[in-house]
Amino acid sequence: ETGVTQTPRHLVMGMTNKKSLKCEQHLGHNAMYWYKQSAKKPLELMFVYNFKEQTENNSVPSRFSPECPNSSHLFLHLHTLQPEDSALYLCASSQDWGTPRNPYNEQFFGPGTRLTVL
Amino acid sequence: SQKIEQNSEALNIQEGKTATLTCNYTNYSPAYLQWYRQDPGRGPVFLLLIRENEKEKRKERLKVTFDTTLKQSLFHITASQPADSATYLCAPGYSSASKIIFGSGTRLSIRP
Repeated sequence: ETGVTQTPRHLVMGMTNKKSLKCEQHLGHNAMYWYKQSAKKPLELMFVYNFKEQTENNSVPSRFSPECPNSSHLFLHLHTLQPEDSALYLCASSQDWGTPRNPYNEQFFGPGTRLTVL
Repeated sequence: SQKIEQNSEALNIQEGKTATLTCNYTNYSPAYLQWYRQDPGRGPVFLLLIRENEKEKRKERLKVTFDTTLKQSLFHITASQPADSATYLCAPGYSSASKIIFGSGTRLSIRP
């Protein structure tokens, strides 16, 4: 176990549904990330939160809405998704965001949520 | 734009041999490079990090090299075992910003 948990592990939703993905880390980290992994494509960084503040939004469509209520929890709210949004969504955490204490940003990943949009 | 290339084809190696995976990058001058392992249906797991001033790094049966002139990192697994079968991702990064970019990965299969 990496210390990062994600729920649900699998999700099937229609294009008109609203759902949320949850991530929790038990490592005492201050930075958390959402990634999207589609078949045969590299991991795509979506959002970064550092000390609960969003520091990166990688041109993600507004139908994906992140929320970080504290340093241990991260949510990804989904609404009116498209079939091409079907992918593995991975959450990761690191000690913090590029500080002298951790300039090398080793990331710990959760197991992911396999999302299918019908 | 920044580009990271890993062996696009799957690598099949006989058990006991050394597996060598390649990571090439262009339009990029990373301060460090990380390697991760990913098993099917699971998140990546951090393996090794090598800094730009390090030529080589070892950890048990793993060895990573970093050639900033060639813009290339090589990842070696010696005495390979079927349990080493997985996809391996390279991820160069800057020390001034924690955003790292992942390559698409190389799928490694070790046959008994």
